[in-house]
Amino acid sequence: QSVLTQPPSASGTPGQRVTISCSGSSSNIGSNYVYWYQQLPGTAPKLLIYRNNQRPSGVPDRFSGSKSGTSASLAISGLRSEDEADYYCATWDDSLSGVVFGGGTKLTVL
Amino acid sequence: QLQLQESGPGLVKPSETLSLTCTVSGGSISSSSYYWGWIRQPPGKGLEWIGSIYYSGSTYYNPSLKSRVTISVDTSKNQFSLKMSSVTAADTAVYYCARQVGPAEDFDYWGQGTLVTVSS
Repeated sequence: QSVLTQPPSASGTPGQRVTISCSGSSSNIGSNYVYWYQQLPGTAPKLLIYRNNQRPSGVPDRFSGSKSGTSASLAISGLRSEDEADYYCATWDDSLSGVVFGGGTKLTVL
Repeated sequence: QLQLQESGPGLVKPSETLSLTCTVSGGSISSSSYYWGWIRQPPGKGLEWIGSIYYSGSTYYNPSLKSRVTISVDTSKNQFSLKMSSVTAADTAVYYCARQVGPAEDFDYWGQGTLVTVSS
């Protein structure tokens, strides 16, 4: 049971816009930055979004992050087949004094 | 370009201690501001943060694993290490080392990961 709640799966067709949600509480998302990671099959996770909505160099602007209250979202526009991966949200939890991850969302491009 | 590489035994017996080392190249582990962390992923499951360390030796751990985990750093070798005691089959996972931008911040560089299987 993850501290952060994500839908286990999401899907979309090429060119479509999809969003992945991440729900937490006041002790984690509500008071700290949210991060998003992309994990392609058989590879290590890759930082996709930091500090709620910032993209590291090299990450396409098709990927965007947002946060409101105790929830956050990752949006992917212009969906491409290579976006098929697992996506994880993460943040710091003040009550646990540690990093917490969501359970992950498997994105399928139909 | 910063690179991290995990190393250690791929098979550990139940009740024994798992030991892994992460070697950092292309940058200094003593760089200010950065922490260095361990994250694991059981087969087919999600990510779990294990703990992180600063080059000075300051550590913080996942409360659920704290009693069994020790993370240390060797700045002379540009390495940091993980020891997890009393392992069980539930500790079977791919273990990743990663650089953390700050104590409550993101992991921006990751190793490729190493699978550790706990089995007799």
